[in-house]
Amino acid sequence: DSGVTQTPKHLITATGQRVTLRCSPRSGDLSVYWYQQSLDQGLQFLIQYYNGEERAKGNILERFSAQQFPDLHSELNLSSLELGDSALYFCASSAQRYSYNEQFFGPGTRLTVL
Amino acid sequence: GQNIDQPTEMTATEGAIVQINCTYQTSGFNGLFWYQQHAGEAPTFLSYNVLDGLEEKGRFSSFLSRSKGYSYLLLKELQMKDSASYLCAVYPGNNRKLIWGLGTSLAVNP
Repeated sequence: DSGVTQTPKHLITATGQRVTLRCSPRSGDLSVYWYQQSLDQGLQFLIQYYNGEERAKGNILERFSAQQFPDLHSELNLSSLELGDSALYFCASSAQRYSYNEQFFGPGTRLTVL
Repeated sequence: GQNIDQPTEMTATEGAIVQINCTYQTSGFNGLFWYQQHAGEAPTFLSYNVLDGLEEKGRFSSFLSRSKGYSYLLLKELQMKDSASYLCAVYPGNNRKLIWGLGTSLAVNP
């Protein structure tokens, strides 16, 4: 158990819908990272927040957005969903703001878009 | 550009030794990570190398050569539970984000 929690574990929805994925980092960790992992692709970095502020951006679509709240939990919002958005979405946390710190991954949310 | 290469798939036999290679070409280097990921599960940290040489941690060792842009993960006394994907990731430094490889899927056969 990494100490990172994600909800929900599974999500099934239809194209065009909007969903919110939630992540709580390990106690004391200030950085939160979001990743997307599809069957045919590796781990794709989406975005990082550090202590409430956006720190780094990766391959995040404009239909996707995220935020980190004062209690440090984070939410990833996915809108106008397409079939291709079906994937495992991981959240990870680390103690510091920099990428040389070990990241602890949550169990993931499996999103299925029908 | 930024690029990390790993073999896509490898197979090995229980009890044997396997070496998983990772080569990288990045604009800057300030450390290399190895993560293990079982199918459908979260990646878990295995090792972090920032200096040249071999770091041993139980059955797993990780090697780095910065001049060659090369690392490998060595797994000894393979067990069936080692069947997983092994991800290489590079931190280029200057507060930039990690660059992830696509992973090497290792199948350990009895």
